Amino acid sequence: KQEVTQIPAALSVPEGENLVLNCSFTDSAIYNLQWFRQDPGKGLTSLLLIQSSQREQTSGRLNASLDKSSGRSTLYIAASQPGDSATYLCAVRQWKGSGGSNYKLTFGKGTLLTVNP
Amino acid sequence: EAQVTQNPRYLITVTGKKLTVTCSQNMNHEYMSWYRQDPGLGLRQIYYSMNVEVTDKGDVPEGYKVSRKEKRNFPLILESPSPNQTSLYFCASSLITGLPEQYFGPGTRLTVT
Repeated sequence: KQEVTQIPAALSVPEGENLVLNCSFTDSAIYNLQWFRQDPGKGLTSLLLIQSSQREQTSGRLNASLDKSSGRSTLYIAASQPGDSATYLCAVRQWKGSGGSNYKLTFGKGTLLTVNP
Repeated sequence: EAQVTQNPRYLITVTGKKLTVTCSQNMNHEYMSWYRQDPGLGLRQIYYSMNVEVTDKGDVPEGYKVSRKEKRNFPLILESPSPNQTSLYFCASSLITGLPEQYFGPGTRLTVT
């Protein structure tokens, strides 16, 4: 059974700092990995999706990397801003035949990021 | 605008009173799914649907029903809600070919007293 772990559970940084959020997963037979942002009491906003054949994806100040063989992904946020404060969730989808036929996403429990002005 | 919508956004109800949470997407996605989010447990899948009239259980289906009569809609039905179904519910959709990025609705906060 796939398990996704995110470390740290919470992170507080001063504005302008570069930071890294970590995600690890136990079953490397993934189809893709998706990073989401969730504001308090709100829905999930997709930030980046990395296919299993890719090593990284970039969008603006965000860069996500994937090392499938070691079961790890990182989300790098450059020059953090107070508006980046949110919970960041990592989710993986399995390959078909590896429990992935239903396209289910298995989520980590998230990292709560606070960027202080 | 491409989106997944859910209604209602907030609902307080009493034990045993049947309710339906609607979900609709305008992206012609085949795949739709319901998740619930609880503190300390994260998001867990309730039910999913691969296309019209094709539905199946996720990890926590007890106490829920779904139907998929039209491609765009995937309602979640609680026939007899109980307090342990108090949660934040999300509907999601995606294509099943190409780049299957999942899109999520804004969430429905349900309280059962």
